[in-house]
Amino acid sequence: NAGVTQTPKFRILKIGQSMTLQCAQDMNHNYMYWYRQDPGMGLKLIYYSVGAGITDKGEVPNGYNVSRSTTEDFPLRLELAAPSQTSVYFCASAPTGGSYNEQFFGPGTRLTVL
Amino acid sequence: QKEVEQDPGPLSVPEGAIVSLNCTYSNSAFQYFMWYRQYSRKGPELLMYTYSSGNKEDGRFTAQVDKSSKYISLFIRDSQPSDSATYLCAMTTGGSYIPTFGRGTSLIVHP
Repeated sequence: NAGVTQTPKFRILKIGQSMTLQCAQDMNHNYMYWYRQDPGMGLKLIYYSVGAGITDKGEVPNGYNVSRSTTEDFPLRLELAAPSQTSVYFCASAPTGGSYNEQFFGPGTRLTVL
Repeated sequence: QKEVEQDPGPLSVPEGAIVSLNCTYSNSAFQYFMWYRQYSRKGPELLMYTYSSGNKEDGRFTAQVDKSSKYISLFIRDSQPSDSATYLCAMTTGGSYIPTFGRGTSLIVHP
């Protein structure tokens, strides 16, 4: 199993550009999540999904959009990039029915907006 | 007040020291308590979890939960340079699929 994969690893965007961060998992997990991590600030939840076709906002959804057309994929779309979106983005997945909701994280995408 | 408080550090210790990492929380409904370890430029990985109060030991690592004080700890015995990482606490209520994370504590173990 590859686990959770993310592409690209690094990206530099100009202000106002758009891009899609890709996330895929091969563990047949229903739950998937997008977090951003700023230095010393922990993980902030952007969006999450409990299954194909179902998504919901997390703590910091403004400036982002998601879709979940399959169990495996959960792309994150940035529209009109702003310097405040400079961060490391982590995708995670979790199995349904787990009592403590262990999350499996991808390697992250480092995004810089200039 | 944040739901989960964790000192970001950095915490710098010599090799072989006993390390204590801590989180406090305010939501008494939390039942599952987890510690994730995150190496530099990597995603977090689950290190240990405990349910409700008590201790759990795994090799050099011990997780401790005191629900009466709303305080959890992770102890690392005989710390090694390879333990240098950021340690994030996380907790959930029963049946929740969205954990609440602490900010993470950066640990540096120097030879």
